[in-house]
Order: sequence, then C-alpha cells, then structure tokens
Amino acid sequence: AAGVIQSPRHLIKEKRETATLKCYPIPRHDTVYWYQQGPGQDPQFLISFYEKMQSDKGSIPDRFSAQQFSDYHSELNMSSLELGDSALYFCASSSGQQGRNSPLHFGNGTRLTVT
Amino acid sequence: ILNVEQSPQSLHVQEGDSTNFTCSFPSSNFYALHWYRWETAKSPEALFVMTLNGDEKKKGRISATLNTKEGYSYLYIKGSQPEDSATYLCASANSGYALNFGKGTSLLVTP
Repeated sequence: AAGVIQSPRHLIKEKRETATLKCYPIPRHDTVYWYQQGPGQDPQFLISFYEKMQSDKGSIPDRFSAQQFSDYHSELNMSSLELGDSALYFCASSSGQQGRNSPLHFGNGTRLTVT
Repeated sequence: ILNVEQSPQSLHVQEGDSTNFTCSFPSSNFYALHWYRWETAKSPEALFVMTLNGDEKKKGRISATLNTKEGYSYLYIKGSQPEDSATYLCASANSGYALNFGKGTSLLVTP
C-alpha cells in the first residue's frame, strides 16, 4: 500500500540558507501535519492543513512557511536556517473527514542538519 | 500548553514478561487518544485511536484502556517478545486539529 512519502531523506544546509521539505500524503488523504523532533526531544507540532487550507498552527517559527497544494502534497519552506533547526521533520497524513479520530500515517522523515 | 506525560521513560523486561505503561493527558476538551509504536529507523505506526471513556482496544498481545474523566490511558503488552522493543508514543487530541505527543516510553525486551 502507498505510504506517506517525504523528500529528501537527508538534507545538509549551512546557517542562513533556505531549505524546502516535501510531503506526499497517502492517496485520498486530505489532511497533512508537520512535526519537528529535535535530538532527544518529543515530536513538536508545527502546522497542519486540511483541504489546502491551514487548519492549525503550533510552534512554527516565523522563518518557516508551509502550504498544501491542489494535489494535496505539502511543502515546508525554511529560511534563515539556524543551528537549532537541525532535527528530524516528520510529515503525517490522515483523512480529514474523520477528524482527529483518524490515525496519522507518518512518512519516514527528513533529517535536516544545519552546519 | 497541553502536556501529555508518559511513564516510565524507559523499561527493560525479559522475554515473556507482561508489562504496562501510562499516558496522562489533559481531560478538558478531549477528543481522542492515540497510541503509536516507533521502531528505530522507522516512522511511527498507529496502534490505537480511542475516544470514549472506558474504551478498551486490543491488537494481538497489545491492549489499551482509556479513562477520559481522569485523563489517563494504559498500554499493556502480554508476554513481551524482542520484536516488541520500540518506543511507544501516546498523543491526545484536545482543542484544534493537532495531536500533542508525549515523550514516549522506550521498551527493551531481551531474550
């Protein structure tokens, strides 16, 4: 069965550079969530989208932006990267029709290293 | 800030032992409680989603209970096997669409 696809798997950037992370949800899933997991930390919610509109916002820095496109894939854009942005970024998708009662399906994550 | 707490932080049991761990979550504006299993080098995998007070769910040797009034859930593993070794995450959905995750319980099962 098709799963959530994230690209790239690994990304190395320097401070002050920009990065774009992509997430392709499971077919027919219309809700996408982004989570950030720093070293030794629990996953922190960044932002979510339902039907191409932002549905919820967490601890996402102003330097980051995200959007969901017409094909339901989502991109997380990160600018002016800082060392503290080094983390594993997970994307998850679910069927919005079931709301928050629907289990999340996670991608394998993008590991971002900022040097 | 909505805090989800899990205990213990880590657990080491012998093969065949039964074990359980706890997730406590805010009981106000509660919608759902999720359990995920996260193996090293893999992405989290959904185990259970529970919504009703008194819910009990079972998947093979793993089961979970839910108390929404007092804000806790237990995850039980019967007859632990080495392949059960993983981090078990719980997450609660209160207000908003997002899930708030706990830090997880890391389980190691040795033969």
